[in-house]
Amino acid sequence: AQTVTQSQPEMSVQEAETVTLSCTYDTSENNYYLFWYKQPPSRQMILVIRQEAYKQQNATENRFSVNFQKAAKSFSLKISDSQLGDTAMYFCAFMNPTYNQGGKLIFGQGTELSVKP
Amino acid sequence: DVKVTQSSRYLVKRTGEKVFLECVQDMDHENMFWYRQDPGLGLRLIYFSYDVKMKEKGDIPEGYSVSREKKERFSLILESASTNQTSMYLCASSLPLAGGRETQYFGPGTRLLVL
Repeated sequence: AQTVTQSQPEMSVQEAETVTLSCTYDTSENNYYLFWYKQPPSRQMILVIRQEAYKQQNATENRFSVNFQKAAKSFSLKISDSQLGDTAMYFCAFMNPTYNQGGKLIFGQGTELSVKP
Repeated sequence: DVKVTQSSRYLVKRTGEKVFLECVQDMDHENMFWYRQDPGLGLRLIYFSYDVKMKEKGDIPEGYSVSREKKERFSLILESASTNQTSMYLCASSLPLAGGRETQYFGPGTRLLVL
């Protein structure tokens, strides 16, 4: 069974600094997808970034980028130029897509990030 | 914009009560999901549905059932609520796109307290 582990329950960063959130996963599959979701306080969870396992190039979305190390089964999220609005719970998630039945997500435990002014 | 709504933000129930949590999405998504979110455990899948009247068990289905009579609506039912079902419940929906392009859209969550 696939598992996702986020070993940092809480992190904090000063505004404008860079922070990296860690995620490791375990799977025997070769084709899969990885995601980072963000859950701001009292607001809905939204997708931040996704990575296809067959792509060697790391995904980037504006200030958010990932460091995907397939052999090490590691998928970290880097947030550059942190902003107060980045304060949220961040979840790493794994998907092994199954056609016709939708891609089920397996989530990590979450990392609560606080951006301090 | 995709909108996923849940019937209540906060709910307080007594042990043994039957509880209904409703989720509605307005984007004609085939897939719908129910998760529970607990501190230190992340989100765990309870049930999901990939079509009307279709349902599949997730990782923690015990004590729960679901109903999907219409495409836009997915209900989670606690047949006899227990205190260990106190949690945050999140609904999500998605289009079954290939190639990892599937994105789950989440509702605001229902915080359920069972006394």
